[in-house]
Amino acid sequence: QVTLKESGPGILQPSQTLSLTCTFSGFSLSTYGMGVGWIRQPSGKGLEWLANIWWDDDKYYNPSLKNRLTISKDTSNNQAFLKITNVDTADTATYYCARIRLQWFDYWGQGVMVTVSS
Amino acid sequence: DIRMTQSPASLSASLGETVNIECLASEDIYSDLAWYQQKPGKSPQLLIYNANSLQNGVPSRFSGSGSGTQYSLKINSLQSEDVATYFCQQYNNYPYTFGAGTKLELK
Repeated sequence: QVTLKESGPGILQPSQTLSLTCTFSGFSLSTYGMGVGWIRQPSGKGLEWLANIWWDDDKYYNPSLKNRLTISKDTSNNQAFLKITNVDTADTATYYCARIRLQWFDYWGQGVMVTVSS
Repeated sequence: DIRMTQSPASLSASLGETVNIECLASEDIYSDLAWYQQKPGKSPQLLIYNANSLQNGVPSRFSGSGSGTQYSLKINSLQSEDVATYFCQQYNNYPYTFGAGTKLELK
């Protein structure tokens, strides 16, 4: 059974760094073709893809967030991570991690709400 | 970036009705398209991948079709549990992009 669960700080202040953790089970990020992606959704709005990391440590980022994103993984502990630097109120959203099978997101976590506020 | 234009933005339909949702890509995405269903307060769930392949466990009343730049999601015999927002997503090119969503309500 594949499950993913996101965790994060809940609330943080502008200019801080947001650190998110995705803890998963039911698959391994060392398996050929597997990946984990991060997607966010401001309240009442659409979905925005942020980043992917693959079994071979290949990484892809959404250029709209320029150089603020860093994705990483800890294969032995079944975790993936996302850092977003220099946050502002526009980064307030629910953040999801999802398993990537081949290219599509086939399992999603429940999401974690992040609020950026001074 | 590939722009995904989804229509309609909202839709009201009756139980048992057939519903169609369209997704237009700004360039050919070679069927690299997924459809997701998101119920209120829940995370998105995969319905369709590769434009027309039904994800395991998804009811057969859902189907996807299309090619090139034009794709559609069809829901036959609408059920109350289908009330949700539906998103298309292309994975042909980075950055992955989503349509803005179609909110489906019961009439």
